[in-house]
Amino acid sequence: EDKVVQSPLSLVVHEGDTVTLNCSYEVTNFRSLLWYKQEKKAPTFLFMLTSSGIEKKSGRLSSILDKKELFSILNITATQTGDSAIYLCAVGGAQKLVFGQGTRLTINP
Amino acid sequence: EAGVAQSPRYKIIEKRQSVAFWCNPISGHATLYWYQQILGQGPKLLIQFQNNGVVDDSQLPKDRFSAERLKGVDSTLKIQPAKLEDSAVYLCASSSNRGGTEAFFGQGTRLTVV
Repeated sequence: EDKVVQSPLSLVVHEGDTVTLNCSYEVTNFRSLLWYKQEKKAPTFLFMLTSSGIEKKSGRLSSILDKKELFSILNITATQTGDSAIYLCAVGGAQKLVFGQGTRLTINP
Repeated sequence: EAGVAQSPRYKIIEKRQSVAFWCNPISGHATLYWYQQILGQGPKLLIQFQNNGVVDDSQLPKDRFSAERLKGVDSTLKIQPAKLEDSAVYLCASSSNRGGTEAFFGQGTRLTVV
């Protein structure tokens, strides 16, 4: 059975800190790993990592994929209160997209 | 480009009543997903369509949940009869391809069963 596990489940830091969120997976016929940010209801897309793109960066956010060890990390530097959200990791196999349980990140001013 | 549209945004019903949710995916997207997200948890896939065919419904409680995607475009998800544990946000997402591509989400429907 396909499985995606995120850690930690919850994280509270101060504004300006750097955080690292983890995602490990077991998926048949891996095709991609995606990171989403969920603030209210709808998750919004951040990054997609595949065999041909194992490192992505956008502003203060960056992500890497380790296909050998079957995990990914999402790094946020110089955190701001607007980064407070649930961060979801999803892994695309041959047929479907499977989500982890998410990491709730809280940034205190 | 218009996003994924869902309605209603909120719904409160009593247990044992029935409810239906509607989703209109991004134009041209062949893959449509329905996810259930219970408070504090990640989205759980209920059913996935490829055009108007079902790809995966292994986690859909078929005794009470049903879904259809007529003509491979809009989709409806129905619960009948609802239970208290069905209280959740129901998210619809679509993608241009199955599995390995980015899925775009609608705003979701928050269902409260009392």
